[in-house]
Order: sequence, then structure tokens, then C-alpha cells
Amino acid sequence: DAKTTQPPSMDCAEGRAANLPCNHSTISGNEYVYWYRQIHSQGPQYIIHGLKNNETNEMASLIITEDRKSSTLILPHATLRDTAVYYCIVDRIQGAQKLVFGQGTRLTINP
Amino acid sequence: DAGVIQSPRHEVTEMGQEVTLRCKPISGHNSLFWYRQTMMRGLELLIYFNNNVPIDDSGMPEDRFSAKMPNASFSTLKIQPSEPRDSAVYFCASRGLAGGSYNEQFFGPGTRLTVL
Repeated sequence: DAKTTQPPSMDCAEGRAANLPCNHSTISGNEYVYWYRQIHSQGPQYIIHGLKNNETNEMASLIITEDRKSSTLILPHATLRDTAVYYCIVDRIQGAQKLVFGQGTRLTINP
Repeated sequence: DAGVIQSPRHEVTEMGQEVTLRCKPISGHNSLFWYRQTMMRGLELLIYFNNNVPIDDSGMPEDRFSAKMPNASFSTLKIQPSEPRDSAVYFCASRGLAGGSYNEQFFGPGTRLTVL
């Protein structure tokens, strides 16, 4: 499975867009990019996933570069409740049972 | 829906004792996962089941760990004997039928285990 690289921490002001980068330069053609987050003391929570097209849902947007070697998760209007560790995971959709969590990015939203 | 239910939420035990963690997946989900989270190793998959059958237990650290899923609504993770290095938060997650689309994993609140 392809590995991902994320910055260990980021800060963002409340109300601003939070942009979380992820590098996955060894991603294969049949592998998707998944994002989960973990709010303190809770279990991880699914956010969004994509293959090559940009995706948007009620929680976030996912921008994947044309070469698919990197992506950005965007929280358009960050709130204090978005403070969490964000995990970028790469896997096949059929094989996405085995979520391999890296260290993630600890995002802190500041008032 | 109550979500994934785990019990107990906190467990403190002494080294050498048997520990049993319990999980009730979301009704209708056919896959169940056990994860362990520590500061040193992060979040790691221990074992997962499909339709009550263990599919991959390569993450189970050693023979002291065992997991069962006797039916679709219940699973246990047992540690016998427990050791201080087993101290961690243990998460259970469940997932619906995958088919051709992605179904995310839903995580429970976790069990915080402390082995003295």
C-alpha cells in the first residue's frame, strides 16, 4: 500500500479555511485517497474520499492533483470543533478494510 | 441508531489478570474491526472479521491476544495474561456491505485499558 506524508501540526483561525496537505507520491492507479479525523478521546470519523476528481460533501472538499501524487483536504469555514488529528490514507476501495493510520496532522483551530 | 457500543469504557487491572473487551457493532454491518492506539505506535489494526469470520489477524501482537465474533451483534477481544505494555485505548469499528462503493468504518468510543 502507498504511504502518505502529512505535516505533524497546523494552526488555523476560526472561520477561515483550513487546508491540510497530503503527499502520496507512490499511489497506484486503483488506489483512493481517504480522510478520517479523530477528535480528542473519540474514535476516528470518516470525512471524505476520492480517486482523481475533486470531491465535496457537507463536511469538506478534497482536491487531488492531476498526477494524483498529492491532495488537500479543505475545511471551508473551520470551527473550534474541527480541532482534531486528521489522517490521510491511501488504499484500494475494495481493500479499504485495512485502514493504515499514519501519524496524521494535528489541526488546531484558534479563536 | 446507537452507533458502535463498547464496554467497559475504562478498565484498570493488574498484570497477569485476564481482560475482556466487548463490542456491539451497528446493526446490519457485516465487518468488524479491532484497533489499538498508543502514543508510541499510533492507531493500529489488530484484527478484522467479515460475516463473523476472522479475515486478517496479522496485527494481533502475540498469543496472549484473542478475538472472537460468535454472532453478528457481538465481539470480544481478550488479553490473557495482561501486561503493562498492553495499556492503550482499544477501538472497535464496524462497516456495512462494501459492494462496489465505499462504506466507511464507524468507530466506537473506545475502551481505555490500564494494566498496572
